[in-house]
Amino acid sequence: QSALTQPHSVSGSLGQSVTISCTGTNADLGASNYVSWYQLLPGRAPKLILYDVIQRPSGVPDRFSGSKSGNTTSLTISGLQAEDEGRYYCSSIDANSVYVFGTGTEVTV
Amino acid sequence: QVQLQESGPGLVAPSEILSLTCAVYGFSVTSPAWWSWVRQPPGWGLEWLGEVHESGRTNYNPSLKSRLTMSVDKSTNQLSLRLTSVTAADTALYFCAAVQNVTNYFAPWGQGARVTVSA
Repeated sequence: QSALTQPHSVSGSLGQSVTISCTGTNADLGASNYVSWYQLLPGRAPKLILYDVIQRPSGVPDRFSGSKSGNTTSLTISGLQAEDEGRYYCSSIDANSVYVFGTGTEVTV
Repeated sequence: QVQLQESGPGLVAPSEILSLTCAVYGFSVTSPAWWSWVRQPPGWGLEWLGEVHESGRTNYNPSLKSRLTMSVDKSTNQLSLRLTSVTAADTALYFCAAVQNVTNYFAPWGQGARVTVSA
C-alpha cells in the first residue's frame, strides 16, 4: 500500500479559501467513502477535522468542508483563520483493510 | 472526555525491542473499539502500524506484521505495542488512537511518544 498523494504545501491570506487535494487509487480512495482528515500541530495530539468525506465532528467549524470524486478527495478551508495553520493529512482504508494516510500538506496563513 | 497518553523508553538500541504503552482515560478499553498505533518518522508522513480490538483480535500493517505485537491490558486500562528487531528506520513519533466501533476514523489521539533507535 502506498501513501495517498497530497500537495506539499498550500497558503492563503486571512479570509481566503484553500483546497487540499488527496489522490489515491482504485484500491483505496476509489473503493471507499471512509475518508478522514486530520490536523497535526507540533506537540499536540492530532485532531480529527472531517470523517466519512464530509462529516464534521462536534466543535470543528463549518468553514471546513470535504468532497470526493473518483480517486480524489479534497478538504476546503473557507474563510481561512490563523489557527488553521498546521499540517493536514487525509486517510482512507484500502481493500485489504489497511489504513493509508496522505503525504501531508502544510497550510500557511 | 477520552484521553490517551503514550509512554516509552525514548531511546532503543538497534536490533532490540521497542515497547510502548498507551494509557486510556475516560473510557474503558473493554468497551467495543479498535485501538490503533500510528507513527511519524522525522520529516515524513503518517504510517498506520496496526490495531487491536478489546477482544484481543489484531490487524497489522503487512509491511510490519512479522515484527509487531499489540495487546490490550484490561487490568490497567492500557494498550501496548511491541516492535522487535528495530533499526534506525523505526525512529519516529508513535501515536495511539481510538477507532470507535462501526467507524473508520481515528479519534481521539494521544500526543505521541518519541522513540529514537540508536546505539
